[in-house]
Amino acid sequence: DTAVSQTPKYLVTQMGNDKSIKCEQNLGHDTMYWYKQDSKKFLKIMFSYNNKELIINETVPNRFSPKSPDKAHLNLHINSLELGDSAVYFCASSQEGRRSYNEQFFGPGTRLTVL
Amino acid sequence: GIQVEQSPPDLILQEGANSTLRCNFSDSVNNLQWFHQNPWGQLINLFYIPSGTKQNGRLSATTVATERYSLLYISSSQTTDSGVYFCAVLNSGGSNYKLTFGKGTLLTVNP
Repeated sequence: DTAVSQTPKYLVTQMGNDKSIKCEQNLGHDTMYWYKQDSKKFLKIMFSYNNKELIINETVPNRFSPKSPDKAHLNLHINSLELGDSAVYFCASSQEGRRSYNEQFFGPGTRLTVL
Repeated sequence: GIQVEQSPPDLILQEGANSTLRCNFSDSVNNLQWFHQNPWGQLINLFYIPSGTKQNGRLSATTVATERYSLLYISSSQTTDSGVYFCAVLNSGGSNYKLTFGKGTLLTVNP
């Protein structure tokens, strides 16, 4: 009964490669997010989608392209990977308009290592 | 944008001790959440608490929105409480979709 799931959990790849991370939520939420956690543990929003529409793009390089095929899925594709992309990427989801104002729930994270 | 400051940055406790973690924020908020990131990296929701007080077992949290701070209390700490505790907020004057995180408090509970 996993709420927010991500695949893969670990991703090790070479510089210059293209990779994707998938996220799915079964909470019935209408908003999904990608966050990046750097080596100092700092968490920062990258993207937010509400009802499959991009709401936030937080000055992320255009090598990063999120795609939301439906409200339950938000995938992250990264082109031409660079060393600085190494981080843990978290997917999250929330529901607008409920009593808990956009309370966000996070997936387990994907640790990306670029060699 | 809104600033979120957490203190202390690091805390070491003996098992059984109590502690208080603090989160200060620079503007009004619609949402404040406390998370625990365990040593395996999972982000676990502890509290959704934009105002008031909540309790869940040994943990409780209080947010005084008018004074722009929140406190997380851990009583009778256990080694499994170790990890990083994050406070995150949604700015009332900003986007409804962007949680801004503090830098966290690294808690180590020794047996």
